[in-house]
Amino acid sequence: AQTVTQSQPEMSVQEAETVTLSCTYDTSENNYYLFWYKQPPSRQMILVIRQEAYKQQNATENRFSVNFQKAAKSFSLKISDSQLGDTAMYFCAFMNLWGGSNYKLTFGKGTLLTVNP
Amino acid sequence: EAGVVQSPRYKIIEKKQPVAFWCNPISGHNTLYWYRQNLGQGPELLIRYENEEAVDDSQLPKDRFSAERLKGVDSTLKIQPAELGDSAVYLCASSLNGQPHEKLFFGSGTQLSVL
Repeated sequence: AQTVTQSQPEMSVQEAETVTLSCTYDTSENNYYLFWYKQPPSRQMILVIRQEAYKQQNATENRFSVNFQKAAKSFSLKISDSQLGDTAMYFCAFMNLWGGSNYKLTFGKGTLLTVNP
Repeated sequence: EAGVVQSPRYKIIEKKQPVAFWCNPISGHNTLYWYRQNLGQGPELLIRYENEEAVDDSQLPKDRFSAERLKGVDSTLKIQPAELGDSAVYLCASSLNGQPHEKLFFGSGTQLSVL
């Protein structure tokens, strides 16, 4: 079974600064997707960024980028120029593409990020 | 265009009572998911529908939980009878055809409190 570990329950950052959220995962598979989702107080999960395991290039979406280290099974999220609206829970998630898992998402426990003015 | 719509937003019931949650996915989305999110945890899949067919309900506690998606559009998740441990946020999500490259859209969830 796949597991996703987020070792930082809470983090804080000053507005306009950069912060990195950590995520590690465990799988024996070679083909999968990794995701970062944001959950603000509205509770609606919003996709931040996605990485396909077979792609060596790290994904980027505007101020959000990842550091994907496949051998180390590490998938960290970097948020640059942090904004107050980035305050939310951030969940790392894994999706196996083989083995009859029906493309099921496995989530970590989340990291609460607070951006301070 | 409206996103995934869920109701009610909050529900408080006493244990042993029944409760139902409703979800209307994005128009045209064939795949619908129900997730449960316990306090301090990430969401966990309860059931996945392809149109009106439940293709993965392996995590659904079938002794007390049931779900339906009549006509392959909106869906209802029911708990009967509710237990204290069922207190959680129940999230609905949808995607076009359930393929991994497709974006998953979530609703705002129903927060259930069982007293």
